[in-house]
Amino acid sequence: EAGVAQSPRYKIIEKRQSVAFWCNPISGHATLYWYQQILGQGPKLLIQFQNNGVVDDSQLPKDRFSAERLKGVDSTLKIQPAKLEDSAVYLCASSFVPGLAGEEGYIQYFGAGTRLSVL
Amino acid sequence: AQSVTQLDSHVSVSEGTPVLLRCNYSSSYSPSLFWYVQHPNKGLQLLLKYTSAATLVKGINGFEAEFKKSETSFHLTKPSAHMSDAAEYFCVLNAGNNRKLIWGLGTSLAVNP
Repeated sequence: EAGVAQSPRYKIIEKRQSVAFWCNPISGHATLYWYQQILGQGPKLLIQFQNNGVVDDSQLPKDRFSAERLKGVDSTLKIQPAKLEDSAVYLCASSFVPGLAGEEGYIQYFGAGTRLSVL
Repeated sequence: AQSVTQLDSHVSVSEGTPVLLRCNYSSSYSPSLFWYVQHPNKGLQLLLKYTSAATLVKGINGFEAEFKKSETSFHLTKPSAHMSDAAEYFCVLNAGNNRKLIWGLGTSLAVNP
């Protein structure tokens, strides 16, 4: 079974530029998550989608960050304009549809991440 | 309130010796608990999971963890450390109706030759 795919793996931009990250979840997974992981810290949830609807975006800095999952499959996370403090690894995760496999359905599987450096 | 505490930020062991990474949790719901591992410049890999079945859970690469409700603990162990085990380990709680993951701060495991 193919895992969560993310691209690019690395990105270097200057502050005030824009950047976009792409994620393709595990086939059939209805729930998709974007996390931000700053060096030395655990992941912080930015946004959660269930199919193409937003479930939780309470920690997404909406003045500069946006995300979409138009067809309920792959997703794009954008930052515009970027700030120095946005330097981090951006992780995408997906999980199965709740109810089909009990608690197993909530297990999140992660992609390799995109490492963003803002100079 | 839900929370996860990883009791050690850094653990250093010699190759071939046992590994113990400690995790305590707090939850008013029946929890699911996970250990994820993150190797340098890699994504997060699920090591093992507890989802209210057997309390002793076996994972990949020889790791296992025991869910102890009376102690609210979910410590990760391995009988014999290997150099390739050097990584960051996260204890994670999934509890409550919204199933949001609660992350520990991580434990950095160093394995010395």
